[in-house]
Amino acid sequence: EPEVTQTPSHQVTQMGQEVILRCVPISNHLYFYWYRQILGQKVEFLVSFYNNEISEKSEIFDDQFSVERPDGSNFTLKIRSTKLEDSAMYFCASSDPGHTGNTIYFGEGSWLTVV
Amino acid sequence: QQQVKQSPQSLIVQKGGIPIINCAYENTAFDYFPWYQQFPGKGPALLIAIRPDVSEKKEGRFTISFNKSAKQFSLHIMDSQPGDSATYFCAASVGSNFGNEKLTFGTGTRLTIIP
Repeated sequence: EPEVTQTPSHQVTQMGQEVILRCVPISNHLYFYWYRQILGQKVEFLVSFYNNEISEKSEIFDDQFSVERPDGSNFTLKIRSTKLEDSAMYFCASSDPGHTGNTIYFGEGSWLTVV
Repeated sequence: QQQVKQSPQSLIVQKGGIPIINCAYENTAFDYFPWYQQFPGKGPALLIAIRPDVSEKKEGRFTISFNKSAKQFSLHIMDSQPGDSATYFCAASVGSNFGNEKLTFGTGTRLTIIP
């Protein structure tokens, strides 16, 4: 079964450093997402991306965050200057409403620890 | 108004029992209600979903009951097994905008099925 893959699985970074989390969505999917889950808390929407632009973003997704689809397969989340409170599991997801309706497929996540 | 309230926070059920997890929402624009299952270290995986035009949906051992007037929906797991032990999240979205799935998640229920 096709799956969303994410790298790295775990990254430790110093406060103030830039981090790039990478994702390979399911091939032929058109919509891409980033969600995050702070330890022990609920999953929260960050951003959705379609046709090479942001479709929607949450209030969490401020100017320190950016997303990019640099080529035909990768989808990245950049955090420009990390803060302690950015420590969380970041999930990439993708969907293809033409074939699988509303179903969003999540990757296994990238655990970010900011120290 | 965007929140989805989920209860209980944790639940322990004996094998063969029927755990029930409840969710409530305020936003009447929500029209797509999925349940996600998450195992430790993994991303959320879609379990079952319902739209408000039906009051119940069953897939295998999993059933969603939906009460539109009360703005509540619940997940029932029939003949529960130890392998069902996981965290379950309800979610909601305005699914009419097909493809741009900004899911609003509940806070999660940690379910443990004891042999």
